[in-house]
Amino acid sequence: EDQVTQSPEALRLQEGESSSLNCSYTVSGLRGLFWYRQDPGKGPEFLFTLYSAGEEKEKERLKATLTKKESFLHITAPKPEDSATYLCAVQNTGFQKLVFGTGTRLLVSP
Amino acid sequence: GAVVSQHPSRVICKSGTSVKIECRSLDFQATTMFWYRQFPKQSLMLMATSNEGSKATYEQGVEKDKFLINHASLTLSTLTVTSAHPEDSSFYICSARDVSGGASDTQYFGPGTRLTVL
Repeated sequence: EDQVTQSPEALRLQEGESSSLNCSYTVSGLRGLFWYRQDPGKGPEFLFTLYSAGEEKEKERLKATLTKKESFLHITAPKPEDSATYLCAVQNTGFQKLVFGTGTRLLVSP
Repeated sequence: GAVVSQHPSRVICKSGTSVKIECRSLDFQATTMFWYRQFPKQSLMLMATSNEGSKATYEQGVEKDKFLINHASLTLSTLTVTSAHPEDSSFYICSARDVSGGASDTQYFGPGTRLTVL
């Protein structure tokens, strides 16, 4: 059974304090690993798709990396507006659906 | 690009009534749409996969007679919660799969619908 585990559950940072969020996964065949951002009371917002180990993608202060067992979302010099829940999901080669982790709640204080 | 809308954003209804939620892909065609529900401080739980022109595929434990899904066009899927009860109160979110990017198989999510059943 495909599984996704995210850590930490919650993370509190000061503005400018860089850190990383972890997403560990087990999947029989990885079609893609996805990162989303979700603000309270809203739907998830797409950030990145990673397909193979060694791949990296960047967007503003965010950088996502992928190995065969985990993915990291690095946040460089975060700002308060980066506060949100970050969700990781995997898609198996045999299925269309995504399997989500429980997310990391990030709070960035000014 | 890749915008998905949902309507209504919020609905309050009495127990026993039915509620319909619409999900539209605004700038792309979606042969596949997905319906999720999310409880407070929990992750998304897939309810069903909706394919245009065919019957939806429901996840284990989801009552297909209670949650009716129709995907009548390449840009519209609807979820009807029939005979709603307070335990159906939740945040319902749809997503649409955009396959126009070749290898990309990204799901884009709507803003969600907050259902409260009194």
